[in-house]
Amino acid sequence: NAGVTQTPKFQVLKTGQSMTLQCAQDMNHEYMSWYRQDPGMGLRLIHYSVGAGITDQGEVPNGYNVSRSTTEDFPLRLLSAAPSQTSVYFCASNRLILQGAGEAFFGQGTRLTVV
Amino acid sequence: LAKTTQPISMDSYEGQEVNITCSHNNIATNDYITWYQQFPSQGPRFIIQGYKTKVTNEVASLFIPADRKSSTLSLPRVSLSDTAVYYCLVGEGNFNKFYFGSGTKLNVKP
Repeated sequence: NAGVTQTPKFQVLKTGQSMTLQCAQDMNHEYMSWYRQDPGMGLRLIHYSVGAGITDQGEVPNGYNVSRSTTEDFPLRLLSAAPSQTSVYFCASNRLILQGAGEAFFGQGTRLTVV
Repeated sequence: LAKTTQPISMDSYEGQEVNITCSHNNIATNDYITWYQQFPSQGPRFIIQGYKTKVTNEVASLFIPADRKSSTLSLPRVSLSDTAVYYCLVGEGNFNKFYFGSGTKLNVKP
């Protein structure tokens, strides 16, 4: 199994440009989420989804949109890129469970630079 | 979000046992404790999860005292490849409820 696949791995954008970060999982997980990680920091939740057609905001949602039309895919859209969005973006998927965080599977990340 | 407190960094040498402690004074009755590991330029990876007493798997042990206000991740005989950031998460239910924090950066020296 491929697990969680993120594309692209690297991206440079100019301020004001828009783009979509792709995330796909092949484990039939209900739950998917997007995080950003700034240098030397922990992960911060941007948006998440508990199933197709259902999305919600996390800790830092401003400037980002998501949709979940299928179980497998959860793209993250940057509406108008800003230098403050320079970061590494991680997508994760896991089964919905009630006991603790459980085992989430993360992608390899997309390193985004906005100039 | 249930928050945790961990040391910012720790140093160790190859072959030693490493214990990383996490403080979670406000842990709720139904909360579980979960640890993740992150290598540079990679996404976090699940290590272990527990509720009370001791849990052991092939890579680590998790010790949780009776009051559950703290927990200790134990890595036996670390190697250079264990150099990573370790995150302690506390909570229950959906993954969006978990706070990663800054983690503990473990540096294993030869």
